[in-house]
Amino acid sequence: AQTVTQSQPEMSVQEAETVTLSCTYDTSENNYYLFWYKQPPSRQMILVIRQEAYKQQNATENRFSVNFQKAAKSFSLKISDSQLGDTAMYFCAIRPTGNQFYFGTGTSLTVIP
Amino acid sequence: DTGVSQNPRHKITKRGQNVTFRCDPISEHNRLYWYRQTLGQGPEFLTYFQNEAQLEKSRLLSDRFSAERPKGSFSTLEIQRTEQGDSAMYLCASSLAQGWGTEAFFGQGTRLTVV
Repeated sequence: AQTVTQSQPEMSVQEAETVTLSCTYDTSENNYYLFWYKQPPSRQMILVIRQEAYKQQNATENRFSVNFQKAAKSFSLKISDSQLGDTAMYFCAIRPTGNQFYFGTGTSLTVIP
Repeated sequence: DTGVSQNPRHKITKRGQNVTFRCDPISEHNRLYWYRQTLGQGPEFLTYFQNEAQLEKSRLLSDRFSAERPKGSFSTLEIQRTEQGDSAMYLCASSLAQGWGTEAFFGQGTRLTVV
């Protein structure tokens, strides 16, 4: 079974500051992908960043980066220089078999002007 | 093709009625997923198709739920004899089949309210 835990239901950050969203997971699979998806209010989910479990190097996409700790089964998302448009629900997900995605319960992030 | 399209966006129905939702995936995507999302929860997997074949169904998908994807294009999700517990956002996503790292593209969802 796969589980994804996001322990921060809500977070806030001042515009231009940095925030880190946490995610832990559990899987018995050896290889898998991890994802962070963003769901803005009343809009569809979009991919923020992805990480293959076999890759040691942490993924980076512009202002978004991850801290992937495989042994600890931790996959946190760091948002630098936060912008008002970053306000959204953020979901961590694991895809262990190439089939379905397993999602956490989400973190609601508010960027304060 | 601007993305995954779901219709209707909102549906209010009386308990016991049947409802059907439609999802039009990105045209070249051969995988199509249905998820359900309730308030305060992340998306929960319901079922997925590769082309027209339904390859996996969650135990969440009771006998009142049926999904089809004729000809491997659009998909429908039908709920028969709706119950108040069926009230949720129903999300559709599509992706290419190759590679575990392939992202899923989501639609805006259909919000179902059962009264």
